[in-house]
Amino acid sequence: GENVEQHPSTLSVQEGDSAVIKCTYSDSASNYFPWYKQELGKRPQLIIDIRSNVGEKKDQRIAVTLNKTAKHFSLHITETQPEDSAVYFCAATAPYSSASKIIFGSGTRLSIRP
Amino acid sequence: GAVVSQHPSRVICKSGTSVKIECRSLDFQATTMFWYRQFPKKSLMLMATSNEGSKATYEQGVEKDKFLINHASLTLSTLTVTSAHPEDSSFYICSTGAGIAYNEQFFGPGTRLTVL
Repeated sequence: GENVEQHPSTLSVQEGDSAVIKCTYSDSASNYFPWYKQELGKRPQLIIDIRSNVGEKKDQRIAVTLNKTAKHFSLHITETQPEDSAVYFCAATAPYSSASKIIFGSGTRLSIRP
Repeated sequence: GAVVSQHPSRVICKSGTSVKIECRSLDFQATTMFWYRQFPKKSLMLMATSNEGSKATYEQGVEKDKFLINHASLTLSTLTVTSAHPEDSSFYICSTGAGIAYNEQFFGPGTRLTVL
């Protein structure tokens, strides 16, 4: 089955700087890669996603890149703000098999220093 | 997107009792729902896939007789933690997708289970 690895586990950056979180996946059939932000005690919130037919996607300060050959994908947050502090999870899923079962990475706790 | 609710949001029970958690799709007919468990400071781990009108599919290492799943209608899936023990204390979250042609999952707000 799919296995998703995520690094780093914790990340602290100065407010205004950029943050990068990296993930790898194992199943070449996976073709949808969402990123979630989770605050303590809350449900995961989708912040951006990318499909395997796209190499990069951007939404304001957030961007995601995907390298299908290497099975790598990364989240980039620019101009970080205090409200970006949270736990971020990458995930991978393959459609049409197991009804889009999502496999999560281990998470990155991002802290923004004022 | 789909709206998913869970009930209860928090439950505290004594060791040995059973607890039922409901997951409802409020505006979407969900033939498939997923149940996740999240321990403190850990990731979401998929427990099982709930299929309307048929048996649930459990992930490796998840005891089907301990975590009973019933998906009797297109809007409701229930997870019953039987004979709960302190190690079952966790955050349980359900999700459903907008049809298998779409990948995006919509999550319920979660249920915090504490077993004393």
